[in-house]
Amino acid sequence: AQSVTQLGSHVSVSEGALVLLRCNYSSSVPPYLFWYVQYPNQGLQLLLKYTSAATLVKGINGFEAEFKKSETSFHLTKPSAHMSDAAEYFCAVRGYSSASKIIFGSGTRLSIRP
Amino acid sequence: DTAVSQTPKYLVTQMGNDKSIKCEQNLGHDTMYWYKQDSKKFLKIMFSYNNKELIINETVPNRFSPKSPDKAHLNLHINSLELGDSAVYFCASSRQGADGYEQYFGPGTRLTVT
Repeated sequence: AQSVTQLGSHVSVSEGALVLLRCNYSSSVPPYLFWYVQYPNQGLQLLLKYTSAATLVKGINGFEAEFKKSETSFHLTKPSAHMSDAAEYFCAVRGYSSASKIIFGSGTRLSIRP
Repeated sequence: DTAVSQTPKYLVTQMGNDKSIKCEQNLGHDTMYWYKQDSKKFLKIMFSYNNKELIINETVPNRFSPKSPDKAHLNLHINSLELGDSAVYFCASSRQGADGYEQYFGPGTRLTVT
């Protein structure tokens, strides 16, 4: 069974500082991995995804994530935080089978300090 | 053009009532989903349809009944509403076997049962 763990339910950084949101997954085979962002009162929007191509994945809004099989991690980073990055971030995992379902982590709320 | 739309956006109703939420996607996807997001932001899949066929049916009370009249629509009917049904319900869609099954989410329907 697949699962995903997001470390830290709340992360607070200063504007301009590095953003690091942690995600570890559990899967018997390399899965598909995703990061979604949810702004207040909105639906989820895909930031980036790993589909077994390049291990360093670049997404929208300056975010990127690196797939590390040895650490079973898929941490999300952004070099310089912006006030508009304040939102809820979800890591998700899915298997290759057409019958697989996507499993979401519990989310990390990112706050940006001026 | 809205890719995945839901109606209504807000729904306030009393216990015991029956209500429906509608979802439509114009992305040409063949798979649609219903998710429930609780007050702690935890996101859980409820149902999934592929080409109008139910393929995922999680442990959900049978008061919840999805219906897919065609590939572009997936509705959710809830009978005998209970206080615990209060949540945000998200519809999503994807294309089987493509883009890592990347899902596109609607804006959500906030259901409040009083």
